[in-house]
Amino acid sequence: AQKITQTQPGMFVQEKEAVTLDCTYDTSDQSYGLFWYKQPSSGEMIFLIYQGSYDEQNATEGRYSLNFQKARKSANLVISASQLGDSAMYFCAMREGRRAGAGSYQLTFGKGTKLSVIP
Amino acid sequence: DGGITQSPKYLFRKEGQNVTLSCEQNLNHDAMYWYRQDPGQGLRLIYYSQIVNDFQKGDIAEGYSVSREKKESFPLTVTSAQKNPTAFYLCASSKRVSNQPQHFGDGTRLSIL
Repeated sequence: AQKITQTQPGMFVQEKEAVTLDCTYDTSDQSYGLFWYKQPSSGEMIFLIYQGSYDEQNATEGRYSLNFQKARKSANLVISASQLGDSAMYFCAMREGRRAGAGSYQLTFGKGTKLSVIP
Repeated sequence: DGGITQSPKYLFRKEGQNVTLSCEQNLNHDAMYWYRQDPGQGLRLIYYSQIVNDFQKGDIAEGYSVSREKKESFPLTVTSAQKNPTAFYLCASSKRVSNQPQHFGDGTRLSIL
């Protein structure tokens, strides 16, 4: 079973509108972390936002916020006031707490969502 | 500026040839990682290292090898045993703290001649 599922291969949004990118995850760990990255066409991976499983508040970073619903195992990224420069691939990733003892701060990535912002 | 430098940006491999991808970081991070990305796919972990002189296989280590002789450097060798090496390779590093993100280099695109 996939640990990270991003069900939207592609999304379109009008400039200045808000958009939600979906991410569901699968883990039996109590302690875990969820990350979102942006990958422009140039290829580099840019860290956007982090949510820990024990964090009570939803994470926010500027125009990015994370809609964390623990019981549903979802961690959707919300981008407010979309800009043309937001057009990119977006990846959700998870770090599981159980694997940390085995020497892992490694991440498991979803397959990504391609966001296109329309002028 | 602190960051991760990958070189070369583009690399071509002939049949039966080993090639080495360079990754250097000046962020003073203990942990380093190598990922492979195929078109339209997410990142898959090849190898990772938490400290100097120690590294572990990731999910797709076959046909690859690494070394970690210095904290700053984590080169990846794509051996001739890797029959489908054409991909985009990304190196990352992080602090060994669970809520800290991984920082990535700009990647190396490897193709077969």
